[in-house]
Amino acid sequence: DTGVSQDPRHKITKRGQNVTFRCDPISEHNRLYWYRQTLGQGPEFLTYFQNEAQLEKSRLLSDRFSAERPKGSFSTLEIQRTEQGDSAMYLCASSHSPTAEAFFGQGTRLTVV
Amino acid sequence: GEDVEQSLFLSVREGDSSVINCTYTDSSSTYLYWYKQEPGAGLQLLTYIFSNMDMKQDQRLTVLLNKKDKHLSLRIADTQTGDSAIYFCASTTDKLIFGTGTRLQVFP
Repeated sequence: DTGVSQDPRHKITKRGQNVTFRCDPISEHNRLYWYRQTLGQGPEFLTYFQNEAQLEKSRLLSDRFSAERPKGSFSTLEIQRTEQGDSAMYLCASSHSPTAEAFFGQGTRLTVV
Repeated sequence: GEDVEQSLFLSVREGDSSVINCTYTDSSSTYLYWYKQEPGAGLQLLTYIFSNMDMKQDQRLTVLLNKKDKHLSLRIADTQTGDSAIYFCASTTDKLIFGTGTRLQVFP
């Protein structure tokens, strides 16, 4: 499977715990994006990387959220001190260039209880 | 900031055409995309149009772009029950900005 892979697919955590999600983009895709989608809404942009450089962070990304892409390949998104409002589907996408088609992973569904 | 808007619901009879509309605010958008999302599934790219085009046809799908009015539409000919899903419009300059999605319901 050469698509975008996300792990885990589902995560249930208690409020206040930290969680980390992983995204493996399509090989050789320079761009990697993180989005969040809640029920009944479209995906909301969180942040993106060009290779290992994080180029933009949305205002939605509070200081509890951090994303890395250390070697320009896979990326991690960490949420510290989770809150119930963090419950959502977290989507990762990758593309070859800024204007090329973005391919999405299946997402990680986070439930904070 | 950039914004993309869509109507929330559309209901059509099987075999009819569906037209889903979208407006966007960023006039520097280079590409405009239509994604499909079925229940419990990821986002699937349906089609896209470059900003210097005004129409693109791909089998049953026709995309119309009015750049002056920043209006995009997706027409699905001969709509089938399998087309029932949420359709997202997205604009891009350096990142995709999505609309809230239009839920298409196809009834027999």
